Amino acid sequence: AQRVTQPEKLLSVFKGAPVELKCNYSYSGSPELFWYVQYSRQRLQLLLRHISRESIKGFTADLNKGETSFHLKKPFAQEEDSAMYYCALQTSGTYKYIFGTGTRLKVLA
Amino acid sequence: EPEVTQTPSHQVTQMGQEVILRCVPISNHLYFYWYRQILGQKVEFLVSFYNNEISEKSEIFDDQFSVERPDGSNFTLKIRSTKLEDSAMYFCASRLRRDNQPQHFGDGTRLSIL
Repeated sequence: AQRVTQPEKLLSVFKGAPVELKCNYSYSGSPELFWYVQYSRQRLQLLLRHISRESIKGFTADLNKGETSFHLKKPFAQEEDSAMYYCALQTSGTYKYIFGTGTRLKVLA
Repeated sequence: EPEVTQTPSHQVTQMGQEVILRCVPISNHLYFYWYRQILGQKVEFLVSFYNNEISEKSEIFDDQFSVERPDGSNFTLKIRSTKLEDSAMYFCASRLRRDNQPQHFGDGTRLSIL
């Protein structure tokens, strides 16, 4: 079965604290994974993709095939990071996305 | 930076009426998608479109739904006879053909069925 699980609906952290948003996937093929962010009812914006192994806005994510995870991390959260974060699995063939349920990150002052 | 644009931003329609949601994908993109998000739920895949035909559709995408790319720039989603449960945010997305390319999303159309 193809599935993406984001176990936390809401994650609240204080400014300057580390943050980790969890994402686990189930997929029989070779996974292509992405993180998208949605600020306050705006469009889904690409944050990270596993293939690029880059850091955007201080966020990183590592694909762990053994644990079937693609957790999003940032060492020091900022208030402007408050948003909805979605993990997405791209399937082969039509490249459609399967999304997780999303995690709302609230960074408290 | 080029963007996917969607119109209208909000559509209010009586149950049973037809509705057309419009999208203009990024101009050199070749794959097009519709997703929907019912309030409080996750984003769900509806349909993918490539080379002027549907390449995949979900169980949600029944006979009431259709998609079209009428003029090489617009990409539309039509719901023939809307139901209350069609109320949702509808997102259009497009991507390049090359592997490992992400999808780019529009701002969405909020569809409210009365």
